Formats: sequence, structure tokens, C-alpha cells
Amino acid sequence: EAGVAQSPRYKIIEKRQSVAFWCNPISGHATLYWYQQILGQGPKLLIQFQNNGVVDDSQLPKDRFSAERLKGVDSTLKIQPAKLEDSAVYLCASSSGTRPTDTQYFGPGTRLTVL
Amino acid sequence: GDSVTQMEGPVTLSEEAFLTINCTYTATGYPSLFWYVQYPGEGLQLLLKATKADDKGSNKGFEATYRKETTSFHLEKGSVQVSDSAVYFCALSDRGNAGNMLTFGGGTRLMVKP
Repeated sequence: EAGVAQSPRYKIIEKRQSVAFWCNPISGHATLYWYQQILGQGPKLLIQFQNNGVVDDSQLPKDRFSAERLKGVDSTLKIQPAKLEDSAVYLCASSSGTRPTDTQYFGPGTRLTVL
Repeated sequence: GDSVTQMEGPVTLSEEAFLTINCTYTATGYPSLFWYVQYPGEGLQLLLKATKADDKGSNKGFEATYRKETTSFHLEKGSVQVSDSAVYFCALSDRGNAGNMLTFGGGTRLMVKP
């Protein structure tokens, strides 16, 4: 079974530029998550989707971050404009449901460096 | 809100030593508990989980028991190998928010020397 796919794996941009990350979840998984992992810290949730609807985006900096999952399958996370503090690994995860007992499966992540 | 506290690293052990990584949590509801592992250059992988009190999760020789009375989920392994060198994250999932987001600890780096 294929895992969670993400691209690109690495991205380097200048501050104030824009950037987009793509995620394709495990086939059949209705729930998709984006996490931000700053170096030396644990991941923090940015947004959670159930199919193509947003379940939780309370920690998404909406002035610069946006995310969509238009057809309920793959998803795109965008940052515009980027700041130095956005340098982090952006992790996508998926699960079959939204219960606390449901395991979340993570992709390899996209490492973003903002100069 | 929910939080997870785990021991700071790095933890350095010799091969075949006993491992304990402490994890305690605070949650408003009745959470599920997880240990994830991140090997160098790779993504997060689920190591084990427990979904109710006194459950023991186990995988690859690692074990952790859900202790509701002490709000703990300590990770143990009887004999570590060099290949266990990685960063270990304790996490919980609760119904406190609209979804089932994972709340992670800060991670503990384990280094095993031959």
C-alpha cells in the first residue's frame, strides 16, 4: 500500500516570496492533516480536513497561509508571503477517520528554508 | 489545553542497554496515546499506541503502558541496538477540539553507541 506522498522534498525561497506544497494521502483516507515542525520541536497542527471540508484551522496563520482540498483527495498548502520564521518541515498526514483512536500516517515532509 | 512533556535529550546509551524515555501528559478528555519515531532523513513513523487505561502498546521490542493515574506513557526497551538511534516523539489525540489533532512532545533524541 502506497504511503502519503509529498512534494517537493526541499524548497529554498527568499522572504516575501510565495511557495506551495502538495500532498496525496493514502488511498481511501478521508482525513488529511498539515503539520508544521520547527527544528528541534514536535509537529504542530496547522489544518485538518475531512473529505473536502475544514474540521480545524484554528492554528493556521490565515493572513499568510492557505490550504485547500478541492476534490477531497490531494491537498495544497500555500504560504504567501513567506517570513523567515516559516522555515520548517511541513508534514502531511492522513487517517481513515477522525476518532482519537485513529492512527495518523505521515509523509516524508517538505523542508522549507526561507532566506 | 492538552500538552505532552517528555524528557529532554540527547539520551546516549551503549548497545544492549535498557532504555526508558519518560512521557507525561495533560488532557481535558480521555486521550489516545502514541509514540512516533523519526529516523535520520525520514518522516514520522508510528511506533506504538494505546487507546485506553492500562493498555500496553508494543512493537519492535518497545513497550509503553497507558497509566491514567499518573498520566504517563513511558517508552521502554530492554536491549537497544545501534539501529534504534532516532528521535522519539510522544503524542496524544483527544476530542477537546473539533477534530482529533495530535499534540506532540518536544522529542527525545536517542543515540546508541556500538
